[in-house]
Amino acid sequence: NAGVMQNPRHLVRRRGQEARLRCSPMKGHSHVYWYRQLPEEGLKFMVYLQKENIIDESGMPKERFSAEFPKEGPSILRIQQVVRGDSAAYFCASSPRAMRYNEQFFGPGTRLTVL
Amino acid sequence: DAKTTQPPSMDCAEGRAANLPCNHSTISGNEYVYWYRQIHSQGPQYIIHGLKNNETNEMASLIITEDRKSSTLILPHATLRDTAVYYCIVRVNDYGQNFVFGPGTRLSVLP
Repeated sequence: NAGVMQNPRHLVRRRGQEARLRCSPMKGHSHVYWYRQLPEEGLKFMVYLQKENIIDESGMPKERFSAEFPKEGPSILRIQQVVRGDSAAYFCASSPRAMRYNEQFFGPGTRLTVL
Repeated sequence: DAKTTQPPSMDCAEGRAANLPCNHSTISGNEYVYWYRQIHSQGPQYIIHGLKNNETNEMASLIITEDRKSSTLILPHATLRDTAVYYCIVRVNDYGQNFVFGPGTRLSVLP
């Protein structure tokens, strides 16, 4: 059973460009979480999605950031008009629909560098 | 979710037990203790979790004090590959809750 997959693993963008980060959850998992980790800091929750629904986006910046988890295909975290402060590692985690203890399985992350 | 306090760093000799403490004095009755670790910028890896009983799995043991105000993660025979940042997280078990990661403890296993 493949784990959580994220791509690209590394992404370089210039200021003002758009960044699209993709996350394929583990098979059978319908819940996806996005976290951001700035250099030398801990992970910060951004958004929690179920298929086609955003459940909790309390950690998302109010502007330029959006997330989706369509019925078919991976979850996408989109950052418009990137700035240098967006440079970070972005981790996706997934959990199954009916797991009692809500253990989350993390992907390897996408490292975004904004030049 | 309750706040946790962990030492910023610890050393452990290879082959010895690593005992990582965590204080969570404001934990409430329905909050679980979770442990994750992050090896060199990889995605966090689940280790173990518990409510009030001690727990053991193939990776580690979790000892929770009777008053639940603190806990200890034990890696019984630490190897160099256990060098990582270890996060103690306390949270309710409502489905869909995110995890709040603090700074954790940076464990260095020394040869």
